[in-house]
Amino acid sequence: SQKIEQNSEALNIQEGKTATLTCNYTNYSPAYLQWYRQDPGRGPVFLLLIRENEKEKRKERLKVTFDTTLKQSLFHITASQPADSATYLCALVKSGYSTLTFGKGTMLLVSP
Amino acid sequence: EPEVTQTPSHQVTQMGQEVILRCVPISNHLYFYWYRQILGQKVEFLVSFYNNEISEKSEIFDDQFSVERPDGSNFTLKIRSTKLEDSAMYFCASSDGTGEYNEQFFGPGTRLTVL
Repeated sequence: SQKIEQNSEALNIQEGKTATLTCNYTNYSPAYLQWYRQDPGRGPVFLLLIRENEKEKRKERLKVTFDTTLKQSLFHITASQPADSATYLCALVKSGYSTLTFGKGTMLLVSP
Repeated sequence: EPEVTQTPSHQVTQMGQEVILRCVPISNHLYFYWYRQILGQKVEFLVSFYNNEISEKSEIFDDQFSVERPDGSNFTLKIRSTKLEDSAMYFCASSDGTGEYNEQFFGPGTRLTVL
């Protein structure tokens, strides 16, 4: 069956460090992969998208990599800030579809 | 900045009752979605809607569920006979289906509690 796995434990880092979150998937051939941020009691907010033929995407302090051989995406936040504390969701989209299949998310806690 | 809105923010109902969750997508968007998130679980896709019809639905979206776009602005999710396991946060999302990102914009959610 299709699986999307993200670090189940919370990631605790100090302000100013780089946070790296992992998304692994099996039995899936996504056309593209998206990362969302979710704050408690709120809806997900889109951050970045990366396509299957792209290796890396950047947006300000955010960077996403996509390795279709390893079936893995890494999400980096550089110079992290306490305001970056949230749950980060990985979502895959199959070719020809627009619906999102989400991982469970990884909670990031950035301490001052 | 345009945003997706949802009402009510919290709905409490008795098992077996019908509920209607309402959403107003972003005005120029063409694709509409419902997702749900049971407490502590992942966000799960329910249904997508385009051009006044369902374009895709998940196994969760059984005969108890229906969606409607009754006018040019609202998008509703109806649960005909609620069950305890329907308790969850329900998110509406919309996208314009174009552009590089094809990102989906999510509403703040409706928390449904079935007693």
